[in-house]
Amino acid sequence: TQLLEQSPQFLSIQEGENLTVYCNSSSVFSSLQWYRQEPGEGPVLLVTVVTGGEVKKLKRLTFQFGDARKDSSLHITAAQPGDTGLYLCAGRGATGTYKYIFGTGTRLKVLA
Amino acid sequence: GAGVSQSPSNKVTEKGKDVELRCDPISGHTALYWYRQSLGQGLEFLIYFQGNSAPDKSGLPSDRFSAERTGGSVSTLTIQRTQQEDSAVYLCASVPPGGYSPLHFGNGTRLTVT
Repeated sequence: TQLLEQSPQFLSIQEGENLTVYCNSSSVFSSLQWYRQEPGEGPVLLVTVVTGGEVKKLKRLTFQFGDARKDSSLHITAAQPGDTGLYLCAGRGATGTYKYIFGTGTRLKVLA
Repeated sequence: GAGVSQSPSNKVTEKGKDVELRCDPISGHTALYWYRQSLGQGLEFLIYFQGNSAPDKSGLPSDRFSAERTGGSVSTLTIQRTQQEDSAVYLCASVPPGGYSPLHFGNGTRLTVT
């Protein structure tokens, strides 16, 4: 069974601080996605990374896929209250499956 | 609408009753997924449908759970003889054709079993 562990589980920071969320597995994934979810809504895609070692930037968010395609990180620079939400990573198996396994989630709260 | 639609948005049922949850995917999307989310945590995979292929049911927690997708479009998740541990938000997502397309989620059905 493929599992994705996220850390930290909860994070409360002040506006302007930087933070990193980690997504780790012992399994290899063909691709990995990051989503953000707000209360009462479904998750919304932030980014997809495909190649080992790949780094993608989305404004203040930087995403990295590990060289071995087993882990990923999300770094937020100068966090803002609008970044508050549940962050989820999701990996797609390397065996040609279309099944996406989601991580355990990181709940971020950014205080003004 | 243009997004994934799920109904009902909320469902309260008594233990032992059967429930049906409906998902209307985005037109043209070929894959459809069901996930379960408890207490705002991570998503637990239940089942996915891909085109005309046999569904991957490997995530269904027991034989009380079943799902079907009619005509490659609308999907229904059925839970028989509901238990209190079935209480959760059930999320549906559809995916367009393409190698690394994103999952487009509905807003979920919040199921409460009393």
